[in-house]
Amino acid sequence: AQKITQTQPGMFVQEKEAVTLDCTYDTSDPSYGLFWYKQPSSGEMIFLIYQGSYDQQNATEGRYSLNFQKARKSANLVISASQLGDSAMYFCAMREGGGGSQGNLIFGKGTKLSVKP
Amino acid sequence: DGGITQSPKYLFRKEGQNVTLSCEQNLNHDAMYWYRQDPGQGLRLIYYSQIVNDFQKGDIAEGYSVSREKKESFPLTVTSAQKNPTAFYLCASSVRVSPGANVLTFGAGSRLTVL
Repeated sequence: AQKITQTQPGMFVQEKEAVTLDCTYDTSDPSYGLFWYKQPSSGEMIFLIYQGSYDQQNATEGRYSLNFQKARKSANLVISASQLGDSAMYFCAMREGGGGSQGNLIFGKGTKLSVKP
Repeated sequence: DGGITQSPKYLFRKEGQNVTLSCEQNLNHDAMYWYRQDPGQGLRLIYYSQIVNDFQKGDIAEGYSVSREKKESFPLTVTSAQKNPTAFYLCASSVRVSPGANVLTFGAGSRLTVL
């Protein structure tokens, strides 16, 4: 079974509007971390936001926020006020295990976001 | 500026040849990783190293080899035993920004094509 599922292969959003990218995960480990990365056409992966399984509040980083619903095992990324430069692939990833785990991430297949002017 | 440098950016290889991808970091990170990305797929872990002179296999290590003789360097060799080596290869290093949060910093990648 897939550990990370991103059900939207592609998404379109109008510039300046908000968009939600879906991510569900599967783990039996009570301690885990969830990450979102952006991959522009240049290929480099850029870290966006992190949510720990024990964090009480949803993570936010500028225009990015993570809608963490633990009971549903979902960790959706919300991008507010979309910009043309947001057009890229977006990957959700999970690290299982406690603080000693050295960041071995399991990645989803990604969602391609296209921002329309 | 600190970061991860991967070279070459593009590489062509004939079948049966070994090829080595370079990865250098000046971030002073202890842990380094190699991932493979195929079209329409997420990243899959090949090898990782938490300290110098030590490394562990990831999910798809067959046909690959690595070394970690220096903290800054983690080269990946794609051997002739790798059945389908054409892919995009990403090197990363990590630092713990908070308990449990090891954030990966990635290089720009190397695209390997087998002719």
